[in-house]
Amino acid sequence: DSGVTQTPKHLITATGQRVTLRCSPRSGDLSVYWYQQSLDQGLQFLIQYYNGEERAKGNILERFSAQQFPDLHSELNLSSLELGDSALYFCASSVVGREQFFGPGTRLTVL
Amino acid sequence: GEDVEQSLFLSVREGDSSVINCTYTDSSSTYLYWYKQEPGAGLQLLTYIFSNMDMKQDQRLTVLLNKKDKHLSLRIADTQTGDSAIYFCAETQPGGSYIPTFGRGTSLIVHP
Repeated sequence: DSGVTQTPKHLITATGQRVTLRCSPRSGDLSVYWYQQSLDQGLQFLIQYYNGEERAKGNILERFSAQQFPDLHSELNLSSLELGDSALYFCASSVVGREQFFGPGTRLTVL
Repeated sequence: GEDVEQSLFLSVREGDSSVINCTYTDSSSTYLYWYKQEPGAGLQLLTYIFSNMDMKQDQRLTVLLNKKDKHLSLRIADTQTGDSAIYFCAETQPGGSYIPTFGRGTSLIVHP
């Protein structure tokens, strides 16, 4: 158990819909990262938050957004969903500059 | 630019040693990591090595780093069926937000 929790574990929705994925980091970790993992693209970094502020952006679509709350949990919002958004979404947390600890992931299926 | 390359598949017999290789392009890499992902699970940190080290051993795992060739390897001794998983190599550079660059992962298949 990495100490990072993610909910829900599975999510099935339809094209055009909006979903919210939730992540709670390890105790004491201020940095939260979001990744998308698909068969064809591998593990893609989406976005990082540090202590409530956006720190770095990767290959995140404009339809996607995230935030980190004062209690350090983070949410990833995916809107106008397309079939190609079906993937595993991982959250990770770390002390800045050190190894990341990953959550178990949320499997999103868009039908 | 940053790039981390791994072979996609490795098949070994139970009890043999496995060696998973990784090459990276950025010579300023500071930390290099190995993660393991079992089916349906998240990435689990196995081990890491700082760039000023050549080798690190942790029970059945041995990490070798050749900075000159920008080559990292993970050796698993006495490979077991429970070691079957995808192994990811990752590296970070100093400064900025320390976002690691991950390889595509090597799928290790252990057969009896």
